[in-house]
Amino acid sequence: EVHLVESGGAVVQPGGSLRLSCAASGFTFGDFAIHWVRRPPGKGLEWVSLISWFGETTYYADSVKGRFTVSRDNTKSSLFLQMTGLTTDDTAFYYCAKDTFYRGFIGQFDSWGQGTLVTVSS
Amino acid sequence: QSVLTQPPSVSAAPGQRVTISCSGSSSNIGRNFVSWYQQVPGTAPKLLIYDNDKRPLGIPDRFSGSKYGTSATLAITGLQTGDEADYYCGTWDSNLSAVLFGGGTKLTV
Repeated sequence: EVHLVESGGAVVQPGGSLRLSCAASGFTFGDFAIHWVRRPPGKGLEWVSLISWFGETTYYADSVKGRFTVSRDNTKSSLFLQMTGLTTDDTAFYYCAKDTFYRGFIGQFDSWGQGTLVTVSS
Repeated sequence: QSVLTQPPSVSAAPGQRVTISCSGSSSNIGRNFVSWYQQVPGTAPKLLIYDNDKRPLGIPDRFSGSKYGTSATLAITGLQTGDEADYYCGTWDSNLSAVLFGGGTKLTV
């Protein structure tokens, strides 16, 4: 069974930084692109970033481009999101989600973690 | 404001049928697969439909998806109170090189 577990969420001040992690199990991690998706309180889902199966390609939402960096360690079945220059608009539950496409990406997610809460507040 | 447009809310009685629309453009829905997700408050989103009209294992056939041109529709038949949730459509946008979600639709049964 596919299992994704996020960690690293915390309360951080505006302008601060945070690193989220996502631990994966139950599938061959290195064969699938992984995404970060967030849901701000009271709002809908917002796609944040994607990293390809081998890590050579990344994409970001305009709202986080230049501030967030996604990376992965296939030897440890782990995904990371380094967040800098945080603002109150970044307050949200952050989910990692597995793409459905084998050794590619299509932007469809068949497995999600439970999420980790990032709160940006002074 | 989302590039994919969904109605903010829909409602229907138990046992009835409801549809949720998702409208996009030629750069997203018009040329890429659409997926649908269900999110019950306090839980992670769950994949209901992928590749426009396919159901993952374990999703009942009460849920169905379709796509025509630049719009997609999720239909739910035999509504149950347990279906109350937020529903989102999603797709890749080839111009933006980004995944787009609709604004979400709150279903009340």
